[in-house]
Amino acid sequence: EPEVTQTPSHQVTQMGQEVILRCVPISNHLYFYWYRQILGQKVEFLVSFYNNEISEKSEIFDDQFSVERPDGSNFTLKIRSTKLEDSAMYFCAKGLAASNEQFFGPGTRLTVL
Amino acid sequence: DAKTTQPPSMDCAEGRAANLPCNHSTISGNEYVYWYRQIHSQGPQYIIHGLKNNETNEMASLIITEDRKSSTLILPHATLRDTAVYYCIVGDSNYQLIWGAGTKLIIKP
Repeated sequence: EPEVTQTPSHQVTQMGQEVILRCVPISNHLYFYWYRQILGQKVEFLVSFYNNEISEKSEIFDDQFSVERPDGSNFTLKIRSTKLEDSAMYFCAKGLAASNEQFFGPGTRLTVL
Repeated sequence: DAKTTQPPSMDCAEGRAANLPCNHSTISGNEYVYWYRQIHSQGPQYIIHGLKNNETNEMASLIITEDRKSSTLILPHATLRDTAVYYCIVGDSNYQLIWGAGTKLIIKP
């Protein structure tokens, strides 16, 4: 199965700053997902993206979050004004079909100071 | 909330079969059972899934009881690299996966 790559591997930012997390490159996949995992806690669903639209989002995915595929391959998660509690691992995942067989990237560790 | 119950931890000797149980007594007819694992903060890794029939692939076997209220993931010959947190997830064709705490499996030499 082709890899899912994510950049950066580690992002350190100041509270209130905007961050963009990237899933690159992705091709021939229609279903994309973002999850987060706060250190020592469960993996939490954030959002799913299908056919260039948000399909589902969780309560966590508030107005501070947005997703897009700016150039048809990269898949990005933007946090507009980071908070301390946004510190977590953020995982991108992809799927080839509408099933829960998802393939995850290695994650981006976000640290908000 | 997750719809599954798993033991928080298990040990298994290297080379033996690791049998990881999962209870999902409220599973509905169109929901699948999925298994993923996560090796020490890496991205979760898909293992296997099934609806009602037993399934086998190169990684593992999935045994689902006839009433579908529980299942067992079997790693036939566990190695040290199989040490991970194993997640049993119940879901339909919706997009999101609801994760529980999983079972921390430790393979001992």
